[in-house]
This record gives sequence, C-alpha cells and structure tokens, in this order.
Amino acid sequence: AQTVTQSQPEMSVQEAETVTLSCTYDTSESDYYLFWYKQPPSRQMILVIRQEAYKQQNATENRFSVNFQKAAKSFSLKISDSQLGDAAMYFCAYRSWAGTYKYIFGTGTRLKVLA
Amino acid sequence: DAGVTQSPTHLIKTRGQHVTLRCSPISGHKSVSWYQQVLGQGPQFIFQYYEKEERGRGNFPDRFSARQFPNYSSELNVNALLLGDSALYLCASRRQEGDYGYTFGSGTRLTVV
Repeated sequence: AQTVTQSQPEMSVQEAETVTLSCTYDTSESDYYLFWYKQPPSRQMILVIRQEAYKQQNATENRFSVNFQKAAKSFSLKISDSQLGDAAMYFCAYRSWAGTYKYIFGTGTRLKVLA
Repeated sequence: DAGVTQSPTHLIKTRGQHVTLRCSPISGHKSVSWYQQVLGQGPQFIFQYYEKEERGRGNFPDRFSARQFPNYSSELNVNALLLGDSALYLCASRRQEGDYGYTFGSGTRLTVV
C-alpha cells in the first residue's frame, strides 16, 4: 500500500522569504501523480501544484515550485516570496495512475508566515 | 461559476443517530469523491462515484454509504453514529478526463455527542 509522510508538523517563514515543505512517499508503482494542497482556515482544500511521475521536469506555478526526486521518492514544495496569505495547512497527496481516483494524503504541515 | 457546495456546514448529532450529508459538484464534473478529515490528520478516502456508479471505496465500515444522482450531486450517509465519526467531511469533484486535481468543497463539520 502507498503511504505519504510529511515529517514537519509546523514551519515558520518570514514574509518575502523562501520556505521548503518536505514530503516523502512510498510506492511500488512507476506511474502516479503527486499533489500539494493548501487548506486555509476556511477549510476548503485548494490545489497548489501537481506533478506527473513520468515527467522529469519539476512543476512550477508562479511562486510555487516542486523538487521531485523519483528515485528518492521525495516531493518537496518551495514557496518563494512568502505572503501572509500563504499561511495554511499544506498537504501532500499521492494518486495512482490507474484504478480508483483515490488520493492518499499526508498528515500536513502548518505554515506560519511572520510579518 | 459555483464551486463544490456542501450542506449543511455544521451538524451536531447524538450517538446512534443517522446523518445525511449533501454535495453538489461543479457544473460539468461527473465524478464525486468523499473524504473524512479527523482533526489533526489528512483527509481519508471514503468513496468515489462516477456516472452514478461506485468506483472506489476506502477502508470504512458498512455504516457508511453514498450515492450519486442523475444531476451528479451526491449524498453521504452514516448510520449508527459513533463518537469517532466526528470529523470534517469533504466532498470533491473532478472531470473524468485527465486529472487536474480535485476541486474540494468547504466541508461539513460533524460533531457526534
């Protein structure tokens, strides 16, 4: 069975600085998707970025980028120029390429942004 | 465009009771999934439906059931509520073609007392 681990329960970053959130996963599959979701106090999970495992190029969305290391089964999220609105819980998620569209989430990292 | 809408937003029930949670997906989204998020944890997969058929089920007891209607809205039913069922229940919808990630609703906070 696949597992997703987020080893940082909480992180802090100064406004305008850069922070990296860690995620590791375990799978025997070769094709899959990886995601980062943000959950602010409003509770709605918001998709931040996604990565297809077959793509070697790291995904980027504006200030958000990932460092995808397939062999190491690592999928970290880098937030550049942090803003107060980035404060939230961040969840890493895994989905198999085929079969049930089931996402496996990590336990989350709470990000605090300091003014 | 309206996002994924869930009702009610909050609910308090007594142990042993039954509850029905409702979800309306984004227009054009035919797949709906349900997740349970216990406080301090990541969401856990409960069900996935596509075109009114169950396509996946997580490791939840038979007290949990769901269905999808012809308009693609969905209900999650939980019977014989336990204190441990207290959680945020999230509904998510997506287009079946490709995978651009689920769009989630804001959830229903269920408290069982």
